[in-house]
Amino acid sequence: EAQVTQNPRYLITVTGKKLTVTCSQNMNHEYMSWYRQDPGLGLRQIYYSMNVEVTDKGDVPEGYKVSRKEKRNFPLILESPSPNQTSLYFCASSPRTGSTGELFFGEGSRLTVL
Amino acid sequence: AQKITQTQPGMFVQEKEAVTLDCTYDTSDPSYGLFWYKQPSSGEMIFLIYQGSYDQQNATEGRYSLNFQKARKSANLVISASQLGDSAMYFCAMRGDTGGFKTIFGAGTRLFVKA
Repeated sequence: EAQVTQNPRYLITVTGKKLTVTCSQNMNHEYMSWYRQDPGLGLRQIYYSMNVEVTDKGDVPEGYKVSRKEKRNFPLILESPSPNQTSLYFCASSPRTGSTGELFFGEGSRLTVL
Repeated sequence: AQKITQTQPGMFVQEKEAVTLDCTYDTSDPSYGLFWYKQPSSGEMIFLIYQGSYDQQNATEGRYSLNFQKARKSANLVISASQLGDSAMYFCAMRGDTGGFKTIFGAGTRLFVKA
């Protein structure tokens, strides 16, 4: 089954404790990206990647890191989480890097930082 | 700068009636794509429909159609014959051919379908 898989789905952590949210897709998509969803703000892009070893900042990259060492994986790293990073996070992939590519989303990861 | 505006935080529609969800956008890209996604209460994001900026005809996918008015920079979603399962959050999104192919989203419209 074609899918984007994120883990963990739910996480409660404390300020400053490094964490990684994994994302993996089995559709051989070149384009992958991370979003955070907050009430009233829609989804905002954190980072994206157009291919292996090619990543770039989205609109809200502060406090996050990513890497793209393999085509299928695109982990999101919070080196020192803070309460303002409490959010619902989505990983997504797309079959095309241009403007025609719809996004395939993972199921979301709800993160709470205390 | 690119921007998506959805001015309807919430809407009600009677089952079996049609409903239009508004979306306006702003971009300097000459070529771009417009998308609608559905988020049911279970939380997943589901792609509904796509419209290219150079497409002459409005996109349709089953009960979904996109009313694209390029001069007015609007890309409204029309759902015909609403069903109870259409109750969800709906997001309008845009992706340009420049600026790193970022996708930006509107704040969303929550649709409630009444029986």
